[in-house]
Amino acid sequence: GAGVSQSPSNKVTEKGKDVELRCDPISGHTALYWYRQSLGQGLEFLIYFQGNSAPDKSGLPSDRFSAERTGGSVSTLTIQRTQQEDSAVYLCASSEDRGWNIQYFGAGTRLSVL
Amino acid sequence: GESVGLHLPTLSVQEGDNSIINCAYSNSASDYFIWYKQESGKGPQFIIDIRSNMDKRQGQRVTVLLNKTVKHLSLQIAATQPGDSAVYFCAEGTGGYNKLIFGAGTRLAVHP
Repeated sequence: GAGVSQSPSNKVTEKGKDVELRCDPISGHTALYWYRQSLGQGLEFLIYFQGNSAPDKSGLPSDRFSAERTGGSVSTLTIQRTQQEDSAVYLCASSEDRGWNIQYFGAGTRLSVL
Repeated sequence: GESVGLHLPTLSVQEGDNSIINCAYSNSASDYFIWYKQESGKGPQFIIDIRSNMDKRQGQRVTVLLNKTVKHLSLQIAATQPGDSAVYFCAEGTGGYNKLIFGAGTRLAVHP
């Protein structure tokens, strides 16, 4: 499809396990973002990738969270040793370039940590 | 799908009426503002954006107003339809840098 694709759409895991969430941005978009949305909350910025520049990791809540973007396209958000408070919807967005370009969102991955 | 924002403020309107959703933003240095619509189980969908050098921008059935003096943003939806029922988020950004700061959201409920 032409939009941002995220997988899996749902993930249930046990506390203490590691999880990987995947994002395929819109083709040609150089900027990619991860946000987290807890129930009843707005979106919380996690990390931002722009081309070959060093990512902005200022929103990552702890060192259990990490993300990488391979080849300037697909990105993976990894959460190690998951905890119940990590339960949320993780949203990925992409945009054409830095500067004021619209961020287009995927449908998100709903993570449930039991 | 899972409901978004179970405890959000709710605006209830009749089908065909105009809706106004308000947002107070936090950073006086913000120079870019954007509205998203989010339906249950889906990601946010772009509606309209505005830069700080403007105070009004119109799209199809939607208008965004920006009042920098009081740091207030509003989204007006004309002739509201049942398909407009969703949670609406405003977001702000600063300095050409794409990290957006999102508001908590407002649920719009359109009644026939």
